Amino acid sequence: QLQLQESGPGLVKPSETLSLTCTVSGGSISRSGFYWGWIRQPPGKGLEWIGTIYYSGRTYYNPSLSSRVTISVDTSKNQFSLKLSSVTAADTAVYYCARHEIAAAPFDYWGQGILVTVSS
Amino acid sequence: QPVLTQSSSASASLGSSVKLTCTLSSGHSSYIIAWHQQQPGKAPRYLMKVEGSGSYNKGSGIPDRFSGSSSGADRYLTISNLHFEDEADYYCETWDSDIHVVFGGGTKLTVL
Repeated sequence: QLQLQESGPGLVKPSETLSLTCTVSGGSISRSGFYWGWIRQPPGKGLEWIGTIYYSGRTYYNPSLSSRVTISVDTSKNQFSLKLSSVTAADTAVYYCARHEIAAAPFDYWGQGILVTVSS
Repeated sequence: QPVLTQSSSASASLGSSVKLTCTLSSGHSSYIIAWHQQQPGKAPRYLMKVEGSGSYNKGSGIPDRFSGSSSGADRYLTISNLHFEDEADYYCETWDSDIHVVFGGGTKLTVL
């Protein structure tokens, strides 16, 4: 059974860089056709797609966040990571990692999520 | 880029049925969408994808009580024989050929 687990600091200071990692177990991140994404949800609000990566390193970003986002993959560790720079309180959210089976397909497996608070 | 519109809330009685709607923006009425369920305090869970033809394909382990359908730009999620555990937020999702993903604002379902 595929599982995804987010990890990283739960508290980040304003203007700093938020860094999270998603560890994939029960399947290879390098399997052809599978794409890996990050989604966030501010407290009490809806879901927002941040970006997606393929194991080759090809990335796709939400245009509204693209200037601050970097997603990378480490196939040797079966992990992919998110960096969001210059954070503000508006970036406080639960961050989820998830998979889609092919490029044009829905997210079908989700991690449990990690709350990241931006505060001094 | 497509926009997805959902009603903010819905309610139905225990044991009854409810039909939730996700509407695609103009020019995107042929898009496939997906439905996700998010119970309080939990991560979203993939339910199914629904095509413009009305056909739907459920995720693993999703009960038969959940079904999908379509009419024009509207995509539907129908839940029959409502259980208290169905009380949740329901989000629709779609994507374009550039793999840009969009979510609807979500519908909060209350089971009375």
